[in-house]
Amino acid sequence: GAVVSQHPSWVICKSGTSVKIECRSLDFQATTMFWYRQFPKQSLMLMATSNEGSKATYEQGVEKDKFLINHASLTLSTLTVTSAHPEDSSFYICSARPGQNTEAFFGQGTRLTVV
Amino acid sequence: GQNIDQPTEMTATEGAIVQINCTYQTSGFNGLFWYQQHAGEAPTFLSYNVLDGLEEKGRFSSFLSRSKGYSYLLLKELQMKDSASYLCAVRKLTGGGNKLTFGTGTQLKVEL
Repeated sequence: GAVVSQHPSWVICKSGTSVKIECRSLDFQATTMFWYRQFPKQSLMLMATSNEGSKATYEQGVEKDKFLINHASLTLSTLTVTSAHPEDSSFYICSARPGQNTEAFFGQGTRLTVV
Repeated sequence: GQNIDQPTEMTATEGAIVQINCTYQTSGFNGLFWYQQHAGEAPTFLSYNVLDGLEEKGRFSSFLSRSKGYSYLLLKELQMKDSASYLCAVRKLTGGGNKLTFGTGTQLKVEL
């Protein structure tokens, strides 16, 4: 299957700082990528849909000024958690798909811990 | 909105068969996916249904009934490594394209 790479795999940051997470589609182009957040023992919650060349679409309750998404190319989307707080500590996962009706492939996830 | 329901936990014996059910309510249905997720890892794709019926892939099969808003994932010849969370996800056609929404997941424990 297609490969989606996410970096970093884990990060620890101080409260009040910003953290950038990258999501790359390695062997296909993706006009759309998705960002999810998963708290322990819970399912994946869609945060936003990242659209290449245009603004991201955020799900209800997700602060777009706090979770900045940039999708500058067909193979890269970034999620920046700004002014991170301990409650932002979570597992962040991106996904991408080669076409509208194909399966989505997931990155390996990023474990964010804010101390 | 979408409601996707799965049992929270299930336990089964190595070598046995287990069926994990998923019910959903949604408009603009455009497919149902099953993913496996081990703790601390990203989900991996297992199976996909968009039409009614059974899809078989080795030890895994998935069934869909669109009229009933119901799907199940069937795992045969269970192995210890099958212990994981199984996520049912519904794809919905929206104005901006397709969007995938996940159920809460079913934690499967395979015992000797």
